Amino acid sequence: QEKVQQSPESLIVPEGAMSSLNCTFSNSASQSIWWYQQHPGKGPEALISIFSNGNKKEGRLTVYLNRASLHVSLHIRDSQPSDSAVYLCAVSPGGGNYKPTFGKGTSLVVHP
Amino acid sequence: EAAVTQSPRNKVAVTGGKVTLSCNQTNNHNNMYWYRQDTGHGLRLIHYSYGAGSTEKGDIPDGYKASRPSQENFSLILELATPSQTSVYFCASGVTGASAETLYFGSGTRLTVL
Repeated sequence: QEKVQQSPESLIVPEGAMSSLNCTFSNSASQSIWWYQQHPGKGPEALISIFSNGNKKEGRLTVYLNRASLHVSLHIRDSQPSDSAVYLCAVSPGGGNYKPTFGKGTSLVVHP
Repeated sequence: EAAVTQSPRNKVAVTGGKVTLSCNQTNNHNNMYWYRQDTGHGLRLIHYSYGAGSTEKGDIPDGYKASRPSQENFSLILELATPSQTSVYFCASGVTGASAETLYFGSGTRLTVL
């Protein structure tokens, strides 16, 4: 069974700063990694995904994947109070089995 | 836009009672999932389905049954509810892309078993 660990558990940054979140997984053959954002009282919403080694940028979000070290990170540039939420890392195995395993999440607070 | 609707939004049940949580999706997605979310555990997979008539056990299926009578509907059934099943339950539907699957979640059902 895939194991997904996220760090830190919580992160507090000032408005305008860079927020950096980390995720490690156990299976190097895992096919894809998704980051989800969850606001209080809501279901998670898909943010950004990555499949290949390297980085991917979408707006203020950048994701880095290093399969050799089983590590993926999410960086939010120019963090805003509206970015305050729990961020979940989800890892899916390959071979046609897309059942994702989620980490416990990182709680991000961006204060004005 | 993808839509997943869960009902009820909140539920209080008694120990030993039967509870049914319902989920409806209008996305025509084949895959549907039931997760529970608890502090300190994150999202854990209970049951999932690859299409109408199919259900599969997830990582923590004990005490739960699932039913997928149609493409749109996926139910989670607690035949004999226990206080340990107090949690927030999320349903999701999934669409498979070129390399991965995107999940669309409902807003959750908060279940309290007394």
